[in-house]
Amino acid sequence: QSALTQPPSASGSPGQSVTISCTGTSSDVGGYNYVSWYQQHPGKAPKVMIYEVSKRPSGVPDRFSGSKSGNTASLTVSGLQTEDEADYYCSSYAGSNILFGGGTKLTVL
Amino acid sequence: QVHLQESGPGLVKPSETLSLTCTVSGYSISSGDYWGWIRQPPGKGLEWIGNIYHNGNTFCKPSLKSRVTISVDTSKNQFPLKLSSVTAADTAVYYCARYSGYRFDSWGQGTLVTVSS
Repeated sequence: QSALTQPPSASGSPGQSVTISCTGTSSDVGGYNYVSWYQQHPGKAPKVMIYEVSKRPSGVPDRFSGSKSGNTASLTVSGLQTEDEADYYCSSYAGSNILFGGGTKLTVL
Repeated sequence: QVHLQESGPGLVKPSETLSLTCTVSGYSISSGDYWGWIRQPPGKGLEWIGNIYHNGNTFCKPSLKSRVTISVDTSKNQFPLKLSSVTAADTAVYYCARYSGYRFDSWGQGTLVTVSS
């Protein structure tokens, strides 16, 4: 199975909202409600921001939200802040396999 | 609070076997959950390698399965990774992480492994 498809870049100004898409197939994103999103700052380990499509771990700001429609999942960051500038990766369980997206570099202008 | 730490050689020769260990503290591997390895080539994205359960049950990325061995040592609270027949394409930062509730919720800091003669 191929990696999930994400746009390589996204951007927004402070205070704005930005949405990052993650497209898979019916065998992964579309077949399970086990999509997660990870934030990675340069030189750091990834941090889970969203799991099970739309759930936020404790401590993650409610500015981060997730959704899914068919084979495409989305991460929305509302009220952009400078510290949100990072790489974001989606991931999906795919039945004894785990896929990651290629990553999206989010720039806060 | 669970803490994970990768350890192992930073340089491996082509065709040899890469060996890393993840040591878990603050949480017993035997308590449950899966434990996984993920890697990230320099400047590139994340790639899942494989997961192991405390009873030794594993599942791995199909394209790597023939070269990957993940084991678990509950007495030391560790889960080692072995990747055989390495090439330059295996150069990456290797992370270990806890896979709980279908997400990697705790990660090690990562360790860079370079494949070069």
